[in-house]
Amino acid sequence: GESVGLHLPTLSVQEGDNSIINCAYSNSASDYFIWYKQESGKGPQFIIDIRSNMDKRQGQRVTVLLNKTVKHLSLQIAATQPGDSAVYFCAENPFSGTYKYIFGTGTRLKVLA
Amino acid sequence: EADIYQTPRYLVIGTGKKITLECSQTMGHDKMYWYQQDPGMELHLIHYSYGVNSTEKGDLSSESTVSRIRTEHFPLTLESARPSHTSQYLCASRGLTYTEAFFGQGTRLTVV
Repeated sequence: GESVGLHLPTLSVQEGDNSIINCAYSNSASDYFIWYKQESGKGPQFIIDIRSNMDKRQGQRVTVLLNKTVKHLSLQIAATQPGDSAVYFCAENPFSGTYKYIFGTGTRLKVLA
Repeated sequence: EADIYQTPRYLVIGTGKKITLECSQTMGHDKMYWYQQDPGMELHLIHYSYGVNSTEKGDLSSESTVSRIRTEHFPLTLESARPSHTSQYLCASRGLTYTEAFFGQGTRLTVV
């Protein structure tokens, strides 16, 4: 399944399928981008980050793609599991040296058994 | 696993009361942050600190205040709570060698 994070706040996928969560960012000068996962009742948890000089980065079952031309970021989750159900936020660090983050609206991922 | 703690986890308080939300981290991180988050919504930065005796207001206007007297401690205070302050408050910290911030579990505040 695929979503546009800011316009489709909920993404439902079948267990075992791949998930794609999208995010549009605002500042072309951002140094790096981060994906967070937030489970119900908990604080956000770091998943993966990518620097602005990269196009792709892979982690365990996750891949982040960065398209600077259209200021677009995506998180791909392979073989989605029930434990992946959460809200996913992208965050950017738009001002070099300031260490401040701007968070996107978030996308709720629901994994269907 | 990050060692950042927030207390209390849940708080219900009457209008006009003064409250302090506690946040402590044991990682020696110099940067700390407070975010406000309504259920299912994005996080808004309300305060941040780059070190002891350094505090700045964030992007979202807030009636709260913060202090940073010790590296590990970053409390947030509301002098007079109002129902509009009902929200979840998340504390985070970040160290020199990280790009990401580590978050606490949050304090869910309800003002009645």
